[in-house]
Amino acid sequence: KNQVEQSPQSLIILEGKNCTLQCNYTVSPFSNLRWYKQDTGRGPVSLTIMTFSENTKSNGRYTATLDADTKQSSLHITASQLSDSASYICVVSALTGGGNKLTFGTGTQLKVEL
Amino acid sequence: DGGITQSPKYLFRKEGQNVTLSCEQNLNHDAMYWYRQDPGQGLRLIYYSQIVNDFQKGDIAEGYSVSREKKESFPLTVTSAQKNPTAFYLCASSTTTVQAEGYTFGSGTRLTVV
Repeated sequence: KNQVEQSPQSLIILEGKNCTLQCNYTVSPFSNLRWYKQDTGRGPVSLTIMTFSENTKSNGRYTATLDADTKQSSLHITASQLSDSASYICVVSALTGGGNKLTFGTGTQLKVEL
Repeated sequence: DGGITQSPKYLFRKEGQNVTLSCEQNLNHDAMYWYRQDPGQGLRLIYYSQIVNDFQKGDIAEGYSVSREKKESFPLTVTSAQKNPTAFYLCASSTTTVQAEGYTFGSGTRLTVV
């Protein structure tokens, strides 16, 4: 069964600090891995998407890494801001006969405080 | 600006009623999807459509119905057969289900049974 597990479940950090969110997956055959940011009551917004051959991808203060051998990914947020408070969702895509099938993690709830 | 529009943002349903959630996109995407989001769970796929006049059941299709009469529109009907409809519903679209490029979400509809 394809699964995506994220840790920690929730996290509180002070503004300006860095943090790293983790994603472990058991999805096969692997197609790509995406990180989304979801503000409360809003739809998810894409941060990064990585294929098998990509190890690192950055989007401003967000840097995602992928280790396809250990099936792990991380999202590093640098110099956090209050606006970073949101749920961060890891999504892994498997390429099946019917196309890309996405498996969603349950998200890490990040709160950035003054 | 291109994007996906979901309406209404909030919807209240009485027991035994059918309600329809709207999803419109102007991204010229072929594929459209409906997801359900519950607290503490990852997004779960209800229905998806790869092309006009065609749609497929997802993982939790029971109690839901869809139509795809136009490329831009993919409405979801929550029927009285859905026993626990209170949830946050998200619509998404992508270029095709194979590449799933440009996977974009709407802002969601929160449905509450009263």
